[in-house]
Amino acid sequence: EAGVAQSPRYKIIEKRQSVAFWCNPISGHATLYWYQQILGQGPKLLIQFQNNGVVDDSQLPKDRFSAERLKGVDSTLKIQPAKLEDSAVYLCASSLVSGNIQYFGAGTRLSVL
Amino acid sequence: GEDVEQSLFLSVREGDSSVINCTYTDSSSTYLYWYKQEPGAGLQLLTYIFSNMDMKQDQRLTVLLNKKDKHLSLRIADTQTGDSAIYFCAESKYGATNKLIFGTGTLLAVQP
Repeated sequence: EAGVAQSPRYKIIEKRQSVAFWCNPISGHATLYWYQQILGQGPKLLIQFQNNGVVDDSQLPKDRFSAERLKGVDSTLKIQPAKLEDSAVYLCASSLVSGNIQYFGAGTRLSVL
Repeated sequence: GEDVEQSLFLSVREGDSSVINCTYTDSSSTYLYWYKQEPGAGLQLLTYIFSNMDMKQDQRLTVLLNKKDKHLSLRIADTQTGDSAIYFCAESKYGATNKLIFGTGTLLAVQP
């Protein structure tokens, strides 16, 4: 069974630029999560989707971050414009349904210069 | 409240047992997890325990849960150099949103 796929693996941008990350969850998984992991910290949830609906986006900085999961499968996370403090690893996870085990992708490491 | 704490660093010799500790504050947590993160990689689920259990064993891994003290530990028997990684404990509550609340991670260094 294929795992959670993320791309790109690495991205370097300058502050005020835009960036987008892509996630393809495990086939059949209805719930998709985006986490932000700043160096030296544990991951923190940014947004959770159930199919194509948002369940929890309370920690998403909505003035600059947006995410969508239009067809209930793949998801994109966008930052516009990026700030220095957005430098982090962005992890995507999926679970069969909410409440089940979450499986993580390898992450996208973002460096904002 | 939501807060999960771990010690930052643990060093052991190859072949010894490792014990990684974690404390949490939310007594309504339903599940508690241990994830492993190797350099440049995502999070790998190692094991998990339901809040109504006291212990779970899976090969070299033993999880102990003390609900009264809100303390979780992960014991790795016969630690190998391949076990060197950052270990995260996490808690969640069953419900519409079961977001994971992670600790800061414990770096395990295994000396040959």
